[in-house]
Amino acid sequence: DIQMTQSPSSLSASVGDGVTITCRASQSISNYLNWYQQKPGKAPKVLIYAASSLQSGVPSRFSGSGSGTDFTLTISSLQLEDFATYYCQQSYSIPRTFGQGTKVEIK
Amino acid sequence: EVQLVESGGGLVQPGGSLRISCADSGFTFRDFWMSWVRQAPGKGLEWVANIKQDGSEKHYVDSVKGRFTISRDNAKSSLYLQMNSLRDEDTAVYYCARARPYGEDYWGQGTLVTVSS
Repeated sequence: DIQMTQSPSSLSASVGDGVTITCRASQSISNYLNWYQQKPGKAPKVLIYAASSLQSGVPSRFSGSGSGTDFTLTISSLQLEDFATYYCQQSYSIPRTFGQGTKVEIK
Repeated sequence: EVQLVESGGGLVQPGGSLRISCADSGFTFRDFWMSWVRQAPGKGLEWVANIKQDGSEKHYVDSVKGRFTISRDNAKSSLYLQMNSLRDEDTAVYYCARARPYGEDYWGQGTLVTVSS
């Protein structure tokens, strides 16, 4: 199975800050990397697919980059509604595996 | 509007069985792979299984192989997960999701399965 490692596990930031979350795959996954946002008690919501494609309806302050084994999710200017947990996922091979999550908290 | 609605969760004893369902609407169900993803209380997401459009191909995470069976009824636009020999560690919210090559793009609200004596 492909292991996905996110860092950091949590971070504190203020509204307006730029935030970067990284995700590393244990082997090359090309661009089969997806990012999800999850708020407490809610289902995950896809933000970015294919490493850098913005899902329809997702604000442009979210962006993704990377290929192969190293990927990043960037939030350019954190808004109040962005405080949540973020997960990366590889869809290159079965089983599709997730990172452990990054909790973004208010400083 | 795409909608996925899970049902059938509940409390079951270790070793017991449960079938959860997902009723889908707002898209052509038979055209898509479908997945189950679970989340144990306070933990991260774990992909469980997926099934091809016609049900001819199924895949499972190792921890549920031989115990869980994914199935679908395209006439009813419904997805199922039959769970047997349930263990404490299967306690989780189970989400159904529409699967694409690049991730799961639509998710239901989840159904809670609790395995406890």
